[in-house]
This record gives sequence, C-alpha cells and structure tokens, in this order.
Amino acid sequence: AQSVSQHNHHVILSEAASLELGCNYSYGGTVNLFWYVQYPGQHLQLLLKYFSGDPLVKGIKGFEAEFIKSKFSFNLRKPSVQWSDTAEYFCAVNKPNFGNEKLTFGTGTRLTIIP
Amino acid sequence: DTGVSQDPRHKITKRGQNVTFRCDPISEHNRLYWYRQTLGQGPEFLTYFQNEAQLEKSRLLSDRFSAERPKGSFSTLEIQRTEQGDSAMYLCASSVMVGGGTDTQYFGPGTRLTVL
Repeated sequence: AQSVSQHNHHVILSEAASLELGCNYSYGGTVNLFWYVQYPGQHLQLLLKYFSGDPLVKGIKGFEAEFIKSKFSFNLRKPSVQWSDTAEYFCAVNKPNFGNEKLTFGTGTRLTIIP
Repeated sequence: DTGVSQDPRHKITKRGQNVTFRCDPISEHNRLYWYRQTLGQGPEFLTYFQNEAQLEKSRLLSDRFSAERPKGSFSTLEIQRTEQGDSAMYLCASSVMVGGGTDTQYFGPGTRLTVL
C-alpha cells in the first residue's frame, strides 16, 4: 500500500524566512503528487500538483515543489513566508488510472509564522 | 460560490443514534469521494463514486456505514448505531476526468461529527 510521510509535524518561522516542508512517498509506480493547504477555519485547498513533465511545479501564493523521483520526494518550498501562510499543509499522492484516484495523505505539517 | 458543499457542518449525537450527511459536488463532476479526518491525521479514503455507481469502499467503512449517490449528483453518507470512535471530520471531494488526463479533487468544508 502506498504511504506518505511528512516528517515535520510543526514548523515555526519568522516572516520573510525561507520554507521547505518535506514529503516522501512509498510507491514504486507512476504517481501524481499534490500539496493541499488548510487555513484556520477553512477547507482543504489545492496549492499545487504534479502529474508529469517539468519536475519543478509552481503553485499559488508563491509556493513551488520539486519532484525528485530517485528520492521519492516532493518537497514544498517558498523563498519568503508571510504571516498569512500560517496553516496546515498536507502532501498527498495517488495512482493515475481511469477510475478511482483516491488520495493518500500524509499526517500534515502545521506551519506557524511569527510576525 | 459553486464549490463542494456539505451539510450539516457540525453534528453532535449520542452513541447509538443514526446520522446522515449530505454532499453536493461541483456541478458536472462525475467523481465523488468521501474521506474521514481525525485529529492530527490527514484525511483517509472511505469510498468512491463514479456517477451513481459506488466503485470502491475502504476497509475503514464498516457495515454501519453506507453511502449513496442516487442520481449521480449529490451523495449521502449514513452512519448507523454511532460509536465514540466515529467522531471525526467527514470530508467530501469531487472531480471530473477531462480527456486523457487525471483529475484534481476539490474538497468541501466537511461535517464535524461528535459522538457523546
């Protein structure tokens, strides 16, 4: 069964600091990779996704992620965080097919930005 | 806003009672998923519909759980004889396959269930 690991459970940064959140998955085949964000009191929103092509993908709000196949990783980055980035971040993976593309999520990383 | 909607947003019930949740997906999305999220965890897959057909159920979905999507539009998730362990956020997501690509799931706000 596929699984997703997010090793950072809680990250605290000051505004303008650079961010990198780790995500590793275990699955030996072709995968799609996602980062979702959940702001306080809001529902899960898609930040960015990788299906194929350029392994460096850019998402909303200045976020980007790099797919490194050899390391089974899909780390999320942002060069300069803002207070409004305080949220919980979830990495997810699924297996592409023509039917059920259920997502397997990591346990999430809570990000707190100090003004 | 034409996103995924869920009703109710919060439900408090006593152990042993039945509860039903509703999900309205984004219009014309033919795929619908239910997930469950407990504190400190990411969402876990429960079941999947393609149009009105329920094509997969997780082993997390015991016999007390049933889901329907009668006309391929809205979906309901019913839990019978609730237990305290059922307390969680129940999330619905919808998506649509376009051409030969893969889909992107859009999530609703969830229904938070508390079983006393």
